Amino acid sequence: SQTIHQWPATLVQPVGSPLSLECTVEGTSNPNLYWYRQAAGRGLQLLFYSVGIGQISSEVPQNLSASRPQDRQFILSSKKLLLSDSGFYLCAWGSGGAGYNEQFFGPGTRLTVL
Amino acid sequence: AQKVTQAQTEISVVEKEDVTLDCVYETRDTTYYLFWYKQPPSGELVFLIRRNSFDEQNEISGRYSWNFQKSTSSFNFTITASQVVDSAVYFCALRGSNYKLTFGKGTLLTVNP
Repeated sequence: SQTIHQWPATLVQPVGSPLSLECTVEGTSNPNLYWYRQAAGRGLQLLFYSVGIGQISSEVPQNLSASRPQDRQFILSSKKLLLSDSGFYLCAWGSGGAGYNEQFFGPGTRLTVL
Repeated sequence: AQKVTQAQTEISVVEKEDVTLDCVYETRDTTYYLFWYKQPPSGELVFLIRRNSFDEQNEISGRYSWNFQKSTSSFNFTITASQVVDSAVYFCALRGSNYKLTFGKGTLLTVNP
């Protein structure tokens, strides 16, 4: 069966510090991978998605970036965090190709920028 | 552009009551997929159901049922005999011709004992 891992679970960082959040998927190959942010107020905002190694699509211009160095690894980064980057970050995977593509979510990372 | 509207921001019921969560969607795609997710207080989104646009059969899974009506662009979710463990935020989502899910803003369901 497939599992998705995210770490760290919680993070408190000062403004201006760098960020690296990691997501890995097990039990599947060539998944589509996604990063979402959920700010207070519950809405889910798609940040990045990837359909393959090195292929990243950005949905919202901001000071975040994503990389996919391996098939089942997806990393969210920032060089300098802003207060507005605080939120709950969720990684998700879905079947590759044009399948039905329900997305399965990881446990999330709660980021607080002070 | 795709849009999902969950007009009910919060719903509060007493245990054993039935409750329906509304979802209305907009899309220009002729083939699309609708989803419901549950987000308990722990935060992880749990996939509940997928419905394809070409399959309007309603579905029942235990105490959960879903009513898909293309004519009104709605995909409503009913919990029968609600329980405290059903308390969560519920999201409706839509996927059209690309890889992306469009989520509604969610409905916070509180089931009181």
